[in-house]
Amino acid sequence: DAKTTQPNSMESNEEEPVHLPCNHSTISGTDYIHWYRQLPSQGPEYVIHGLTSNVNNRMASLAIAEDRKSSTLILHRATLRDAAVYYCILRTYGGSQGNLIFGKGTKLSVKP
Amino acid sequence: EAGVAQSPRYKIIEKRQSVAFWCNPISGHATLYWYQQILGQGPKLLIQFQNNGVVDDSQLPKDRFSAERLKGVDSTLKIQPAKLEDSAVYLCASSTDYRGELFFGEGSRLTVL
Repeated sequence: DAKTTQPNSMESNEEEPVHLPCNHSTISGTDYIHWYRQLPSQGPEYVIHGLTSNVNNRMASLAIAEDRKSSTLILHRATLRDAAVYYCILRTYGGSQGNLIFGKGTKLSVKP
Repeated sequence: EAGVAQSPRYKIIEKRQSVAFWCNPISGHATLYWYQQILGQGPKLLIQFQNNGVVDDSQLPKDRFSAERLKGVDSTLKIQPAKLEDSAVYLCASSTDYRGELFFGEGSRLTVL
């Protein structure tokens, strides 16, 4: 299974941008980079995903390195509600499979 | 739109007892997943259904865990007999198909004493 490496924890101040890094040096050409986050006592929720190009949505931006061996999730203005564990996941679709393989993720703390 | 519903939210049992968890996915979602999340770890896939067929159950401990998705809608995950190491949150997720974004329920927290 393709693997990702993330810092165990990060801290941010409220209303400041946050850059959450992810390394995936063994990524294959067909792997999509997905980000999910898990707020306390809730199930994970989808944040964003991409293949090669940078992506933006209402929640965040995803910056993908040109060689695709790393990516960065960007929260433009962190709020207290963004405190969560953020998972960077490589998702490959084989046959009818497409399940998410979670690592330990990065626990983001946001200080007021 | 209603999300993924799971019940019960909490369950405490003694080892060697049995327990069942229920999941109602988002209407129209063909793919359903059960994940196990042990405290401090990321979720681990137990089983994936496409409609009412099993796509992947390679990490399901089949000697004690079973799951079914009758009629391709609701699903039940059963553990019998439970062990101490089964204490975890059991998460159900659904997606439109195997390529779609996963929507997770709030989970069922199991404590085995």
